[in-house]
Amino acid sequence: NAGVTQTPKFRVLKTGQSMTLLCAQDMNHEYMYWYRQDPGMGLRLIHYSVGEGTTAKGEVPDGYNVSRLKKQNFLLGLESAAPSQTSVYFCASSPGQASTDTQYFGPGTRLTVL
Amino acid sequence: AQSVTQLGSHVSVSEGALVLLRCNYSSSVPPYLFWYVQYPNQGLQLLLKYTSAATLVKGINGFEAEFKKSETSFHLTKPSAHMSDAAEYFCALEIQGAQKLVFGQGTRLTINP
Repeated sequence: NAGVTQTPKFRVLKTGQSMTLLCAQDMNHEYMYWYRQDPGMGLRLIHYSVGEGTTAKGEVPDGYNVSRLKKQNFLLGLESAAPSQTSVYFCASSPGQASTDTQYFGPGTRLTVL
Repeated sequence: AQSVTQLGSHVSVSEGALVLLRCNYSSSVPPYLFWYVQYPNQGLQLLLKYTSAATLVKGINGFEAEFKKSETSFHLTKPSAHMSDAAEYFCALEIQGAQKLVFGQGTRLTINP
């Protein structure tokens, strides 16, 4: 049982390049989330999904797209990377059965945009 | 809108001393409240959560937090700090039923030998 895994762990992009971050969970969770973590700002929600085939915007969705084609995977895409997207990205998942459910976090992806 | 404020971006205590990390929240409806810990180069791990049952919540690693509605606070404490407690701590709020977390800015805890 690996929990929540993220690929890749590190990435350096040039401005304007695109990439996709992959999040996978093996806990059969319904809900999945993408956050970004910036110094002094805590974690901010980018997008989330309440089930396979559904996505919704969070607090800071601009410049990102997501897809949830399979229940266990949640992809975060950057179509045209900007230096402002330099951050650490965390994926999380939760069962989604009750509002007291705990969110389980992946180890993070450190992205640098030059 | 709901928000979370953590007082002090950096707290330093001596090993064996009391740990007190402050969290205040703003919410128009009763929230659920969480404390998460992040060790260096790792993801976040749940320490404890308040879900409107007992106001004093006990978590892992000897931490506890008390929900005080009158003060809109959810401060995290541990009676005796250990070197392994050095990490960043995040307070978070969830509006009941929303299943989305709002995080505070984080507090980095340093333990001095």
